[in-house]
Amino acid sequence: DVKVTQSSRYLVKRTGEKVFLECVQDMDHENMFWYRQDPGLGLRLIYFSYDVKMKEKGDIPEGYSVSREKKERFSLILESASTNQTSMYLCASSVSGTGNQPQHFGDGTRLSIL
Amino acid sequence: GQNIDQPTEMTATEGAIVQINCTYQTSGFNGLFWYQQHAGEAPTFLSYNVLDGLEEKGRFSSFLSRSKGYSYLLLKELQMKDSASYLCAERNQAGTALIFGKGTTLSVSS
Repeated sequence: DVKVTQSSRYLVKRTGEKVFLECVQDMDHENMFWYRQDPGLGLRLIYFSYDVKMKEKGDIPEGYSVSREKKERFSLILESASTNQTSMYLCASSVSGTGNQPQHFGDGTRLSIL
Repeated sequence: GQNIDQPTEMTATEGAIVQINCTYQTSGFNGLFWYQQHAGEAPTFLSYNVLDGLEEKGRFSSFLSRSKGYSYLLLKELQMKDSASYLCAERNQAGTALIFGKGTTLSVSS
């Protein structure tokens, strides 16, 4: 089974802090994704990566950056956390291609910015 | 952009059949996914459709009409454990990511 592991289930940080959310997958997937999920808004794509050191902006990249130094690890960085970044953050991975390959999700990190 | 529309909430009783509808923009269609997400848990993959017709997987089936930009997820013999959010997602035109709808919260009662 595919395993996508997010480093923390719950995280509390303060406004202005630099925050790192880590995600690791164990299936040698090329593609990795970061979403945030908010009530009434659904899952929204922040950034994705289709290869090491490659990244693409999603729908809501403002205030975030990402890092993919190794194939199995994709990090989301909040450069200066703000209260409107309080949310559930979900990481996902998939093989490359445009067939029926689904995205596999981690359990999520519930981040609170005080 | 790609707009995915699905109902916000639905209710049903155990043993019943429920159909969750999803509409999407048809330009550049590249495949449609359904996911299930229980409260506090990760979304899990249910089904994928890229050609017209019905795909059946046990109690769950998914249907696609590309000309109408329409899909539905059909859940039969409902069980309490089917209470969850159901997410419709379209692969984007570039084929690189999924665009999710806001999800349909299904409540199954006894």
